[in-house]
Amino acid sequence: GNSVTQMEGPVTLSEEAFLTINCTYTATGYPSLFWYVQYPGEGLQLLLKATKADDKGSNKGFEATYRKETTSFHLEKGSVQVSDSAVYFCALREGGSYIPTFGRGTSLIVHP
Amino acid sequence: EAGVAQSPRYKIIEKRQSVAFWCNPISGHATLYWYQQILGQGPKLLIQFQNNGVVDDSQLPKDRFSAERLKGVDSTLKIQPAKLEDSAVYLCASRGGAEGAFFGQGTRLTVV
Repeated sequence: GNSVTQMEGPVTLSEEAFLTINCTYTATGYPSLFWYVQYPGEGLQLLLKATKADDKGSNKGFEATYRKETTSFHLEKGSVQVSDSAVYFCALREGGSYIPTFGRGTSLIVHP
Repeated sequence: EAGVAQSPRYKIIEKRQSVAFWCNPISGHATLYWYQQILGQGPKLLIQFQNNGVVDDSQLPKDRFSAERLKGVDSTLKIQPAKLEDSAVYLCASRGGAEGAFFGQGTRLTVV
């Protein structure tokens, strides 16, 4: 079956530090890949997505590249802000089912 | 554009009581999902609707959980009777096309 594995948190950084949150996946076909963000007390919001190999999704300074050879979709940001503190979920969706499968989430804490 | 609306935001009930959650998806979105998010875990799909028909309810504990989507718009999720392990955030999401799903703020259920 499909699965998503994320690095365990929390990830604690100082403001303006470089961020990487690792995500690897297992899928039977050719999934679309997503990163969602969940701010405290809110629902999930789509942060970025990539639909095929070598695509790069980007939004709000965050980037992730769909790497089919390593089955990875790592999230990166060059300079984090306190307002980026949230839980980040990696997810995949196979074209046929349209049912997203989520990782466990990685909490990011950014200190001033 | 209005987002996915859910109510109530919070609910505390005693075990063996009943509870119902309501979701109003984004207008025009045919696909609606209910997820259960236990603290520290990623969201787990409970049921997926396409218009008013059920596409996947394989992970819905049908002895106590039920969901319906009359007229293919609003949806309700019911738990009867509730157990302590049902304490979680229940997220509703909708999707209208090939993009990622849009999530509501969720209903935080505490069973005591």
